[in-house]
Amino acid sequence: DGGITQSPKYLFRKEGQNVTLSCEQNLNHDAMYWYRQDPGQGLRLIYYSQIVNDFQKGDIAEGYSVSREKKESFPLTVTSAQKNPTAFYLCASSIGRGLGYTFGSGTRLTVV
Amino acid sequence: GQSLEQPSEVTAVEGAIVQINCTYQTSGFYGLSWYQQHDGGAPTFLSYNALDGLEETGRFSSFLSRSDSYGYLLLQELQMKDSASYFCAVRDPTGANNLFFGTGTRLTVIP
Repeated sequence: DGGITQSPKYLFRKEGQNVTLSCEQNLNHDAMYWYRQDPGQGLRLIYYSQIVNDFQKGDIAEGYSVSREKKESFPLTVTSAQKNPTAFYLCASSIGRGLGYTFGSGTRLTVV
Repeated sequence: GQSLEQPSEVTAVEGAIVQINCTYQTSGFYGLSWYQQHDGGAPTFLSYNALDGLEETGRFSSFLSRSDSYGYLLLQELQMKDSASYFCAVRDPTGANNLFFGTGTRLTVIP
């Protein structure tokens, strides 16, 4: 079955460390996205990529980095520059035009 | 920029009908989407309205009025499993594919 796989489901990070969240899709979607969700809040866009080898900053890109070397993969690195990284991170993909996003099951990152 | 307003919480009785409203402001409109998210889970796509009127999908319907910059999600024959957060979303008016989400409405269905 096609879908999006995010790993790990839970991640603990020490302050000052970089961590990378994995996102893989087998839906053959061109566009991929990373969102951050804080408790009781909506989803805020971190980065998005409409095509391989291209990506754009979203509303809250500071302290994050991404790469899009393959169509199937869009990993997110949370760097030590991100001051408040504890959150639920959601990866999504779409065939285009912002319609019918498919989301992964998310990674819950906690800074300890 | 864009802004979306939804009620933060709604409570309804099992078997009843509930309406979740969404008003939006955006410099360019490309349709209104709705997503459902259970606690700790991934959002799932429910519906999309590009034109005025009502779209029906089983127990769920979504309505759009572009002249009023307003839409709503209607849930009928509520079930306990409908307890979740519901988000409306609009597409980035710059032409990119990304969606801008509202802060969500938490629906609690009570017996």
